Amino acid sequence: KNEVEQSPQNLTAQEGEFITINCSYSVGISALHWLQQHPGGGIVSLFMLSSGKKKHGRLIATINIQEKHSSLHITASHPRDSAVYICAVQGSGSRLTFGEGTQLTVNP
Amino acid sequence: EPEVTQTPSHQVTQMGQEVILRCVPISNHLYFYWYRQILGQKVEFLVSFYNNEISEKSEIFDDQFSVERPDGSNFTLKIRSTKLEDSAMYFCASSALGPNTGELFFGEGSRLTVL
Repeated sequence: KNEVEQSPQNLTAQEGEFITINCSYSVGISALHWLQQHPGGGIVSLFMLSSGKKKHGRLIATINIQEKHSSLHITASHPRDSAVYICAVQGSGSRLTFGEGTQLTVNP
Repeated sequence: EPEVTQTPSHQVTQMGQEVILRCVPISNHLYFYWYRQILGQKVEFLVSFYNNEISEKSEIFDDQFSVERPDGSNFTLKIRSTKLEDSAMYFCASSALGPNTGELFFGEGSRLTVL
């Protein structure tokens, strides 16, 4: 069983839709990261969370430590949001353990 | 906006050759990392580096791999004798603060193809 599970694996939405991507993990963590990987391969950090909720523009990330679960929400989705969204968890050390990613496609 | 830069963007090499991938982290950052992503697979941790020494390394990071910060600005990953299975995208990352507290900044990646 993977330590980090994301769902769905693939998601297609229409422009303007509200999107949710889920991440569950099986180990104790000190922080959880949401990352965006562009079609060219580059990775951008979106959020780092250890509790509660964070918001940046149209993106919202939440985490429930007790349930070992995090969600990434995108409001008013746009075609430029099309990318792979990756959940990664950090334990007591410095390494991140990554999920498989969610491929999001937003159609105009 | 400051960024992490990596060179080369793509390198093709023959099996058994040595490869050095270079990274210039953001200038005031103190923590440095290498990750890799084999095509179609998830990103994997290789090594973290702080205060001129390795903080943590994964099972992937065997004796064929080494890292160095030779001049206070560059951070390099060397693969001594490349294998076919080393073909992957290699990402450098840096952070100002330590694990659990600092946002990570990634480079655009160096694609390594071993023939």
